[in-house]
Amino acid sequence: DTAVSQTPKYLVTQMGNDKSIKCEQNLGHDTMYWYKQDSKKFLKIMFSYNNKELIINETVPNRFSPKSPDKAHLNLHINSLELGDSAVYFCASSSLQGRPAFGPGTRLTVT
Amino acid sequence: DAKTTQPPSMDCAEGRAANLPCNHSTISGNEYVYWYRQIHSQGPQYIIHGLKNNETNEMASLIITEDRKSSTLILPHATLRDTAVYYCIVRVHGSSNTGKLIFGQGTTLQVKP
Repeated sequence: DTAVSQTPKYLVTQMGNDKSIKCEQNLGHDTMYWYKQDSKKFLKIMFSYNNKELIINETVPNRFSPKSPDKAHLNLHINSLELGDSAVYFCASSSLQGRPAFGPGTRLTVT
Repeated sequence: DAKTTQPPSMDCAEGRAANLPCNHSTISGNEYVYWYRQIHSQGPQYIIHGLKNNETNEMASLIITEDRKSSTLILPHATLRDTAVYYCIVRVHGSSNTGKLIFGQGTTLQVKP
């Protein structure tokens, strides 16, 4: 069974569109994260949610709006997509003491 | 900013041990050393972690110096499938920034036949 899953795996869209990426974890973790990996391969944290509440926002533009309907889900909605948003987005989850587990990633291409 | 320093790349012969070093000279007493790897843009995969004692699991061994300012990840018998970017990360357990991992540039390990 997949521990952390993301959909879609690939997303190609045009500038100015709005898109969402979904993440689900079945590990019973209470903390979930979004990371962005750009073309230079640096992995940077964007957001962290603990028990559905935002606890980390690493100065991400407000075009990015995470939503956590419950502890097992953390979705990422992006408004007015820009070329610079092209990247691979990884969802992850962890418990307070446990090691974060990562999803397979969503490759977003903005044309 | 990442609190660790790693060499950008290393080579290793298939079947030999791969020793990946990491410096974390500013590590705090409550920070653990974690190792992850990323194979060709897949999601980062957990390898091992430790606080001050050496650790071993089915994937690797982690050797942490007594002053905890550096550590070495050992893959005892590297295979071609171990070719990946290896990240050394320090992380606090149970802090208000719960579980945040700060990735540096990592070490690209190339295992050669």
